[in-house]
Amino acid sequence: EAGVAQSPRYKIIEKRQSVAFWCNPISGHATLYWYQQILGQGPKLLIQFQNNGVVDDSQLPKDRFSAERLKGVDSTLKIQPAKLEDSAVYLCASSPSGLPAADTQYFGPGTRLTVL
Amino acid sequence: AQSVTQLDSQVPVFEEAPVELRCNYSSSVSVYLFWYVQYPNQGLQLLLKYLSGSTLVKGINGFEAEFNKSQTSFHLRKPSVHISDTAEYFCAVSATGYSTLTFGKGTMLLVSP
Repeated sequence: EAGVAQSPRYKIIEKRQSVAFWCNPISGHATLYWYQQILGQGPKLLIQFQNNGVVDDSQLPKDRFSAERLKGVDSTLKIQPAKLEDSAVYLCASSPSGLPAADTQYFGPGTRLTVL
Repeated sequence: AQSVTQLDSQVPVFEEAPVELRCNYSSSVSVYLFWYVQYPNQGLQLLLKYLSGSTLVKGINGFEAEFNKSQTSFHLRKPSVHISDTAEYFCAVSATGYSTLTFGKGTMLLVSP
């Protein structure tokens, strides 16, 4: 079974530029998550999708971050404009069912963003 | 809201020695508890999880953890570590019935020969 795919793996941009990350979850997984992992910290949930609907985006900085999940499969996370403090690893995860509380979340390798 | 405290940022240990990585949590409601491992340049992988039932949970790669409700702890243990166990370990918590995970800051396990 293929794992969660993310691209690009690395991205370097200057502040005020825009950037987009792509995630392809495990086939058939209903729930998709985006996390931000700043160096030295644990992952922090940005947004959670159930199929193509948003379940939780309470920690997403909506003035600059946006995310969508097309047709309940792939997802894109966008930052516009980027700030220095957005430098982090952005992790995508997916879980199988519509009852995700006890599900295992499967993580992709992440995209490392550096904002100069 | 839930929070997680991992008391050690780094734990150095010699190969074949036992190890314990400490995790304490705070929550006003009942919780699920998880340990994830992150190898360099890789995503997180689930080691084990506590949902209910027996407080001693066995996971992959010989790891186990014990849920202690009175001490609000979920420490991770392995009786004999290998060089390949060198990685960062994250404790996480979610409120029962909810999938949102709150992670600790992680503990780097450094195994040397």
